[in-house]
Amino acid sequence: GAGVSQSPSNKVTEKGKDVELRCDPISGHTALYWYRQSLGQGLEFLIYFQGNSAPDKSGLPSDRFSAERTGGSVSTLTIQRTQQEDSAVYLCASSLDGSSLAGYEQYFGPGTRLTVT
Amino acid sequence: AQSVAQPEDQVNVAEGNPLTVKCTYSVSGNPYLFWYVQYPNRGLQFLLKYITGDNLVKGSYGFEAEFNKSQTSFHLKKPSALVSDSALYFCAVRDMKYSGAGSYQLTFGKGTKLSVIP
Repeated sequence: GAGVSQSPSNKVTEKGKDVELRCDPISGHTALYWYRQSLGQGLEFLIYFQGNSAPDKSGLPSDRFSAERTGGSVSTLTIQRTQQEDSAVYLCASSLDGSSLAGYEQYFGPGTRLTVT
Repeated sequence: AQSVAQPEDQVNVAEGNPLTVKCTYSVSGNPYLFWYVQYPNRGLQFLLKYITGDNLVKGSYGFEAEFNKSQTSFHLKKPSALVSDSALYFCAVRDMKYSGAGSYQLTFGKGTKLSVIP
């Protein structure tokens, strides 16, 4: 079946501009996660959605970052007034159910590579 | 707080030889442990997980991992390496003790680059 998809695959933007990154999770997965992968830094958790609500926003690095999820499916991560340090690969993952151990296994999309110039 | 350490940035192994990629973790409760692999310009692919039960876990592509509670380790192993195994490997942990904000995330190590030499 279809996996997690993300768009765009690459995004180059000028410092100060806003960007929107999209994630389409696996159909039927109620949990959705955003991570950021910087060179040599591993993966940094950003936000977790269960359905349309976000019980865990603890990883968002600043108020320039926001995310929403509508219809329990597609999610959008928005970065306002981008800075050069925002350059990274943004990964989205989904799982069957974020609160149960059986459904917690996360499946990742290919990522969006964001470059802020 | 939960944490993961992958002490080796890079591991080189000859094709056909056994490979080990090391991972140690720190949690307050019981760990929920994962290994993921990332090929160039690709997302992370799930390899295997440990929740409870048998300490030796078998996963995809012939990989296995051994959970050692006393050493707080979860090393990834394969009896015979292939050139196609060359990739970036991530260990991840979730602490099952906690609930609420911050508890749903996986904490990842910084990754180990595996190079299998023909």
